[in-house]
Amino acid sequence: GESVGLHLPTLSVQEGDNSIINCAYSNSASDYFIWYKQESGKGPQFIIDIRSNMDKRQGQRVTVLLNKTVKHLSLQIAATQPGDSAVYFCAENWDGGSQGNLIFGKGTKLSVKP
Amino acid sequence: SQTIHQWPATLVQPVGSPLSLECTVEGTSNPNLYWYRQAAGRGLQLLFYSVGIGQISSEVPQNLSASRPQDRQFILSSKKLLLSDSGFYLCAWRPTGGPGEQYFGPGTRLTVT
Repeated sequence: GESVGLHLPTLSVQEGDNSIINCAYSNSASDYFIWYKQESGKGPQFIIDIRSNMDKRQGQRVTVLLNKTVKHLSLQIAATQPGDSAVYFCAENWDGGSQGNLIFGKGTKLSVKP
Repeated sequence: SQTIHQWPATLVQPVGSPLSLECTVEGTSNPNLYWYRQAAGRGLQLLFYSVGIGQISSEVPQNLSASRPQDRQFILSSKKLLLSDSGFYLCAWRPTGGPGEQYFGPGTRLTVT
């Protein structure tokens, strides 16, 4: 659904530091989760996904952690670079997979300081 | 490889005018297709999705409509635009089947004046 409020949560990090972006999802029956990166004026781009039978998945410089007990998802970016500056969205599959529909979180704006 | 196109890229329309946004996908067949709207500084709101030609499901009641006249073509329309229709409109596709990644197009920036 729509985000509440006019401004996205913002995370500001120094170049080279690690970033952690958090997301609380809504449906305990959701079985698939995705992180997307959206640069200004562009469509979202896939970063990494994870299924509910996993707790952790690693990609290149990114790690997704899933805690089903508290319905929490996090994205860790190692050695954050200026090119990582963007809005990051988590999304969950909420309809049992029949349509592949996703429900998106509010988004977090990541700003990387050089 | 698969590609997704949207046009126009930007559009400025007066209140009360009609709207037609087009989305096409290449390199795949029988995709699921989606229309989202994104208000400034906000998340993505699912408007419509389609699992086949002529099959449209609406998620949010409003003055917008969608059609899928061909397998890889998805159109978003309105007969009379409202100021609140301004936003960034995104089309996405994914293969049919279980849960998985959706692939997004470049988007259309619509400003209703």
